[in-house]
Amino acid sequence: DAGVIQSPRHEVTEMGQEVTLRCKPISGHDYLFWYRQTMMRGLELLIYFNNNVPIDDSGMPEDRFSAKMPNASFSTLKIQPSEPRDSAVYFCASSLVPGGQAFFGQGTRLTVV
Amino acid sequence: AQTVTQSQPEMSVQEAETVTLSCTYDTSESDYYLFWYKQPPSRQMILVIRQEAYKQQNATENRFSVNFQKAAKSFSLKISDSQLGDAAMYFCAYFSTGANSKLTFGKGITLSVRP
Repeated sequence: DAGVIQSPRHEVTEMGQEVTLRCKPISGHDYLFWYRQTMMRGLELLIYFNNNVPIDDSGMPEDRFSAKMPNASFSTLKIQPSEPRDSAVYFCASSLVPGGQAFFGQGTRLTVV
Repeated sequence: AQTVTQSQPEMSVQEAETVTLSCTYDTSESDYYLFWYKQPPSRQMILVIRQEAYKQQNATENRFSVNFQKAAKSFSLKISDSQLGDAAMYFCAYFSTGANSKLTFGKGITLSVRP
């Protein structure tokens, strides 16, 4: 398996634009996590899915953020409209079972200008 | 709600010496897993070590070992014979196995290694 794949690696967009981040988890992994990393707040859990169902989205900062997992091999995190304070590195991770090793993608560095 | 606290933002160690990184967590669950992840400048997240809460024996992986104190909810990482390649950000993480099985991270600690 190629591991968790995220795209794009880098994204620069203007304030107010819609941004979509993509993630392909490792095949067979039931858990998928979205994180945001900033210097100030560290690694924040935004939302996670179990078997494609969102379980906990309490970390989603506001309604501008939304996440979907239409099937077991694909998830998106969308920000609409984007703001400069959304600039961060966004990670996707997947895990086979609770307590199992979580495998991370390479992250997407988002810059909103 | 589970929380993970890493109170030291930065630490420094001399090459070949030993360093201990601290982590505490808060939970009401009895069954869970704890992790240390390493993030070098490449920003790749690398698993360093994993500990099952039901095991009393501390996990070890080569130069890396943990001191797991379940009653105190403490989970520190010891790096022996530090190497320049150990310089990175280290994250402590908690993975619950209950109904809300989420993976929560601390804020991380930046470790520098002096040659």
